[in-house]
Amino acid sequence: DAGVTQSPTHLIKTRGQQVTLRCSPKSGHDTVSWYQQALGQGPQFIFQYYEEEERQRGNFPDRFSGHQFPNYSSELNVNALLLGDSALYLCASSSTGPGTYEKLFFGSGTQLSVL
Amino acid sequence: SQQGEEDPQALSIQEGENATMNCSYKTSINNLQWYRQNSGRGLVHLILIRSNEREKHSGRLRVTLDTSKKSSSLLITASRAADTASYFCATDEGTYKYIFGTGTRLKVLA
Repeated sequence: DAGVTQSPTHLIKTRGQQVTLRCSPKSGHDTVSWYQQALGQGPQFIFQYYEEEERQRGNFPDRFSGHQFPNYSSELNVNALLLGDSALYLCASSSTGPGTYEKLFFGSGTQLSVL
Repeated sequence: SQQGEEDPQALSIQEGENATMNCSYKTSINNLQWYRQNSGRGLVHLILIRSNEREKHSGRLRVTLDTSKKSSSLLITASRAADTASYFCATDEGTYKYIFGTGTRLKVLA
């Protein structure tokens, strides 16, 4: 049973560019959340997707957008990259089944460096 | 913004000793979770405690929750070198949104 997979594992971009990160949730999971983790900090909630719609959003600018596909996989897009966007981006999946939605399963993350 | 704050920020102990880390949060919660992160990669769920529970055990882990003080503690007994990691508490903000604390970096010396 495959867990949460993210691609790519590492990415280097320059300021002003755009980036797309990808996530495939754990089998049987229908909800995907994205987190940004700066070095030495805890993960910060970006947004969550369920039924192909953004269900909740954290305090991130509109440069951060996402998408969820019918197979539950998800993409995170960041436009007009800033140096401060350099971070580890984590995808977490969960299930909306009763008593199961609270537990998050994380991928290994994408390390984004903006130069 | 961070909901939880872990204390201490860093902890170094000898193998076999117990490790205790604390989490404080700001708003009412339905449940609180603890996660472990090795080497800045993905987080792994350790344990969940609901707001109507005061203590929970899982193997060498013991979690307590005091909703009146808005705080939780994670105890790892008989620590091993493999327990070296960062530990985060996470609290729910709304039904489906989890907010993570700043983390405690635990180092277990062999």
